[in-house]
Amino acid sequence: SQTIHQWPATLVQPVGSPLSLECTVEGTSNPNLYWYRQAAGRGLQLLFYSVGIGQISSEVPQNLSASRPQDRQFILSSKKLLLSDSGFYLCASRDNNEKLFFGSGTQLSVL
Amino acid sequence: SQQGEEDPQALSIQEGENATMNCSYKTSINNLQWYRQNSGRGLVHLILIRSNEREKHSGRLRVTLDTSKKSSSLLITASRAADTASYFCATTSGSNFNKFYFGSGTKLNVKP
Repeated sequence: SQTIHQWPATLVQPVGSPLSLECTVEGTSNPNLYWYRQAAGRGLQLLFYSVGIGQISSEVPQNLSASRPQDRQFILSSKKLLLSDSGFYLCASRDNNEKLFFGSGTQLSVL
Repeated sequence: SQQGEEDPQALSIQEGENATMNCSYKTSINNLQWYRQNSGRGLVHLILIRSNEREKHSGRLRVTLDTSKKSSSLLITASRAADTASYFCATTSGSNFNKFYFGSGTKLNVKP
């Protein structure tokens, strides 16, 4: 099965600073990749998904962007963080059986 | 919105009892999945039920799907303290297999 690596586990950033969260996938090739954000005690909001290198679909207009420079690498970025960007960010990969495998997440606090 | 909504938002039971969680969704689906999340961790896939299936079992888990009512239920039998977690349903729509939409979750607390 797939393994999703996400780092860092926690991140505290000041408002206006840049952001780069990286996700890498092992155990599969050409996966569909996803970035989700979860507010405390809430469900998951789909932010971006990618079906291949350089192919990014954005679900919600926001202060964030995503890139997929390699087959098993998915990056979430921001040029200037807002307070509202705080949350728990999860990367996921879909297998051929339509199941999602998740990384362990990054807790981002923007202060 | 395609998103599912779980009910109840929170559930507290004693070890050994059964736990039932419900999920409702709004549009046609390809499949419906249930995931579990321990606090502060990523989600783990539990079970998938396709739109042409009505019931599915996996160990102590039983999932039902009623497409006429646009709803699903997850039953955990003989619950254990280790089942304490949040449970989410997720759907993919008929028009786009790539998008997974999650509900707001049910927080289950199993007391030992």
